Amino acid sequence: DAEITQSPRHKITETGRQVTLACHQTWNHNNMFWYRQDLGHGLRLIHYSYGVHDTNKGEVSDGYSVSRSNTEDLPLTLESAASSQTSVYFCASSLGTDLTDTQYFGPGTRLTVL
Amino acid sequence: TQLLEQSPQFLSIQEGENLTVYCNSSSVFSSLQWYRQEPGEGPVLLVTVVTGGEVKKLKRLTFQFGDARKDSSLHITAAQPGDTGLYLCAGATTDSWGKLQFGAGTQVVVTP
Repeated sequence: DAEITQSPRHKITETGRQVTLACHQTWNHNNMFWYRQDLGHGLRLIHYSYGVHDTNKGEVSDGYSVSRSNTEDLPLTLESAASSQTSVYFCASSLGTDLTDTQYFGPGTRLTVL
Repeated sequence: TQLLEQSPQFLSIQEGENLTVYCNSSSVFSSLQWYRQEPGEGPVLLVTVVTGGEVKKLKRLTFQFGDARKDSSLHITAAQPGDTGLYLCAGATTDSWGKLQFGAGTQVVVTP
């Protein structure tokens, strides 16, 4: 069965370190998204991609970067981790840009920055 | 950025009771989706509504899209403990190109 996976599921790091969160999907979807989820804020879009070599900034992109070298993967990098980036991070994918397309979410990565 | 406001933020009820969750915006959306998220997991799509006034039913769950496509509601009849979760609404517009704007969510707890 097709799926979307994230690793690691839990990560503790220190302020200033570079951190990369992995996202891998086997749906063969064109679109991939990274969100962060914080209490009271719901899901906020960090970066997204419509295909290989395409990346775009979301509403909370400062301090984060992504690259898309193939269809399956969209790793999220925190260039220099800050305590404000402590959050739960979700990756999602969707087939296209139709208004009824479903976004399929991974299980999330809980990141703690000390 | 179109904002989606959900109410209430938290709802605790007994098994068998009914509940309604609301999702409101000052902006018009072309489609509205409802997701449910359980602890330690990602959100899972429940339904998509696209037409103003549209009503969709999924077993004991009834979803309605407002006539002006600015609001939506989720009604659960005879809630069960399995309905416990975080309910998120998400809106899209014709120019959002697959991106979704999420509400903050309503945490529903159904106790036996």
